[in-house]
Amino acid sequence: DTGVSQNPRHKITKRGQNVTFRCDPISEHNRLYWYRQTLGQGPEFLTYFQNEAQLEKSRLLSDRFSAERPKGSFSTLEIQRTEQGDSAMYLCASSLYLEGVSYNSPLHFGNGTRLTVT
Amino acid sequence: GDSVTQMEGPVTLSEEAFLTINCTYTATGYPSLFWYVQYPGEGLQLLLKATKADDKGSNKGFEATYRKETTSFHLEKGSVQVSDSAVYFCALSDRDSGGSNYKLTFGKGTLLTVNP
Repeated sequence: DTGVSQNPRHKITKRGQNVTFRCDPISEHNRLYWYRQTLGQGPEFLTYFQNEAQLEKSRLLSDRFSAERPKGSFSTLEIQRTEQGDSAMYLCASSLYLEGVSYNSPLHFGNGTRLTVT
Repeated sequence: GDSVTQMEGPVTLSEEAFLTINCTYTATGYPSLFWYVQYPGEGLQLLLKATKADDKGSNKGFEATYRKETTSFHLEKGSVQVSDSAVYFCALSDRDSGGSNYKLTFGKGTLLTVNP
């Protein structure tokens, strides 16, 4: 178990540029989540996948944000035309979902990608 | 919608002091409850959990009991150590249409500093 891996750890970009982050979940986990955490706040849910299907998106996920998980393994989160308000830590988490089980595994988090938009 | 309210920090204690961090929640369903911890420079780690009323979660000397009547999940530790210095997040997990827990809703976090 190598844990959830996120790349890059840090990203500095200029306003208006596009950025893409990658998340590699724990290998046997079929659910993958994206969260955003700003300074002094708890993580806020953005979206989640079960295998390759995106099952839910938060209202926080504006049209400039898109997430994919094409083969049901790693995921990417792209932000187009970045704004200074996008500066935050972007967290990825994964879990194992088993149908018919009332309690599934807790979420395991990566160390995050810190985005700074100048 | 669901929400979690945590006691605001920062909390500063001396080593071996008793710790309580209050957490209350609002949920439309019957959530599972969690405490996560974030050590400096590291990611969120699950500290403990409880999935039904009156369950007590415990780990590394920390405890929290799921109180449905008071919608609370307060974190306690009898004797803190310097190594416990971290940010602590209370969270609840909603249930999907199949009744299984999934996404987490977090509180704002409480910074704990333990001095020698």
